[in-house]
Amino acid sequence: TQLLEQSPQFLSIQEGENLTVYCNSSSVFSSLQWYRQEPGEGPVLLVTVVTGGEVKKLKRLTFQFGDARKDSSLHITAAQPGDTGLYLCAGANQGAQKLVFGQGTRLTINP
Amino acid sequence: NAGVTQTPKFQVLKTGQSMTLQCAQDMNHNSMYWYRQDPGMGLRLIYYSASEGTTDKGEVPNGYNVSRLNKREFSLRLESAAPSQTSVYFCASKRTGASNQPQHFGDGTRLSIL
Repeated sequence: TQLLEQSPQFLSIQEGENLTVYCNSSSVFSSLQWYRQEPGEGPVLLVTVVTGGEVKKLKRLTFQFGDARKDSSLHITAAQPGDTGLYLCAGANQGAQKLVFGQGTRLTINP
Repeated sequence: NAGVTQTPKFQVLKTGQSMTLQCAQDMNHNSMYWYRQDPGMGLRLIYYSASEGTTDKGEVPNGYNVSRLNKREFSLRLESAAPSQTSVYFCASKRTGASNQPQHFGDGTRLSIL
């Protein structure tokens, strides 16, 4: 069974600080997705990384896929209260129609 | 642009009661999924349907059944609800094809079993 471990599980920081969330596995994935979920809503895709070592930027969010495609990170620069939410990573395997989800990181940005 | 619609949004049941959670998507997606979300456990797959006419078990299928009624609709049934099934249930859909296609989620059904 493939597992994805996210750390930290909870993070509360002040507006303007930087942070990094990690998503780690002992298994290789063909791609990795990051979702954000706000209270009362379903997760929404932020980004998909496919190539080992790939870096993608979405405004103040930077996503990286590890060289071995076993891990990923999400870095937020100058966090804003609007970044508050549950961040989920999910791994996909070639040919499979299922995703493996991490347990999530609950991020709170205090004004 | 509705996307994935789940009904009901909230439900309270007594132990032993049955109920069906409904899900419909209007994106012409082939694959549909049912997850449950519990605190600290992310999303766990209950059942999925890779295409109309097929269903497969996920990680936590016990106590649940599903029906892929047509391409648009995928329902989840609890035959005899138990307190351990108290959770938030999410339906999702995606295009068949590359495994890295995104899943599109509904807003969830919050289910409490007393």
